Amino acid sequence: KNQVEQSPQSLIILEGKNCTLQCNYTVSPFSNLRWYKQDTGRGPVSLTIMTFSENTKSNGRYTATLDADTKQSSLHITASQLSDSASYICVVSDRGSTLGRLYFGRGTQLTVWP
Amino acid sequence: EADIYQTPRYLVIGTGKKITLECSQTMGHDKMYWYQQDPGMELHLIHYSYGVNSTEKGDLSSESTVSRIRTEHFPLTLESARPSHTSQYLCASSESVRGSSYNEQFFGPGTRLTVL
Repeated sequence: KNQVEQSPQSLIILEGKNCTLQCNYTVSPFSNLRWYKQDTGRGPVSLTIMTFSENTKSNGRYTATLDADTKQSSLHITASQLSDSASYICVVSDRGSTLGRLYFGRGTQLTVWP
Repeated sequence: EADIYQTPRYLVIGTGKKITLECSQTMGHDKMYWYQQDPGMELHLIHYSYGVNSTEKGDLSSESTVSRIRTEHFPLTLESARPSHTSQYLCASSESVRGSSYNEQFFGPGTRLTVL
């Protein structure tokens, strides 16, 4: 069964600190993995996308890693800001359908305190 | 910022009412999707469309229906709303790019529906 598991479920950090969010998946055949940021009451917005051959991708203070062998990904946030408070969702796409089916994790709820 | 819009953003209605959630995109994308999301839970695909006059049911069974008469428009309708329909509904769209593995979906801001 294609699944995406994220940890931790929630995380509280102080402004300026770093944090790392984890994602494990069983989706096969694998196409790509994205990290989305979803602010409360808004739709998800893409942060990074990685294919099988990519093992790291950065977008400003966000750095995603991918280990396709162990089927794990992480999202590292550097020097956190209050605006980083949001849900971070790991999304994996398979190659097995013309639709480009997406499999969503439940997200990690990050809260950044001043 | 993706050019995909949803209205209304918030809706509170009584049981038994008929409602239509609107979704429009100006990117000319062929594929469009409707997702349902409850707090703290993952997004579940309830409907999708490959293009005009194409509609399919997603992974999660839903009593809602959709239509795709125009490329840019993908409304979702509930004929008789019930409290169990209370949820956030997200619309998304993506291009059909031959040979591309990206299939990036762009999401609208969502409609928060509460049925009393």
